Amino acid sequence: GQQLNQSPQSMFIQEGEDVSMNCTSSSIFNTWLWYKQDPGEGPVLLIALYKAGELTSNGRLTAQFGITRKDSFLNISASIPSDVGIYFCAGNFNAGGTSYGKLTFGQGTILTVHP
Amino acid sequence: DGGITQSPKYLFRKEGQNVTLSCEQNLNHDAMYWYRQDPGQGLRLIYYSQIVNDFQKGDIAEGYSVSREKKESFPLTVTSAQKNPTAFYLCASSIEGGRVVGEQFFGPGTRLTVL
Repeated sequence: GQQLNQSPQSMFIQEGEDVSMNCTSSSIFNTWLWYKQDPGEGPVLLIALYKAGELTSNGRLTAQFGITRKDSFLNISASIPSDVGIYFCAGNFNAGGTSYGKLTFGQGTILTVHP
Repeated sequence: DGGITQSPKYLFRKEGQNVTLSCEQNLNHDAMYWYRQDPGQGLRLIYYSQIVNDFQKGDIAEGYSVSREKKESFPLTVTSAQKNPTAFYLCASSIEGGRVVGEQFFGPGTRLTVL
């Protein structure tokens, strides 16, 4: 099956620093999603990407859909303590309805922000 | 408020017992999903259902069973055949033709501990 490799596995940063994480896939996707999970809760969608090369921002977050359709990255600028959590990339390849909504998730990046 | 509820939040069971995790949504979503989350492994798909009375195996279905008798409910049974059932279980739902293609909405999760 499809596999996603997400890196880094964890990051420890100071408040105010920028953060970058990325995902690479063994096969192409036509949708990339980035989720954040707070401790003990379910993931919440941050950004969705649909076209190769697309660059999308949501406040301090910026994500890009790689040209090859096999990778994506997420940047967080000027981190704050509430950014702590686990960030997941997820990909979807909808092959005419059989895979609609079926996401493949990366292993997650654990972010710790020191005040 | 619309959303996904999972109950209970924490569940303890003795080894060898079957246990059923509840998932209810009032979002009128067509598709529902069950994921298992272990540290460092991201989210792995157990079962998913795109319509009432139909469901498909995900990547790690062995030792689990589901039913989808109602659109709003998708209970997951962890059977005694599941060799390592202690984990955090997440339920999600999505709608075809939704605002964000492929977006899944997650419940708060159930942490199952088998003693």
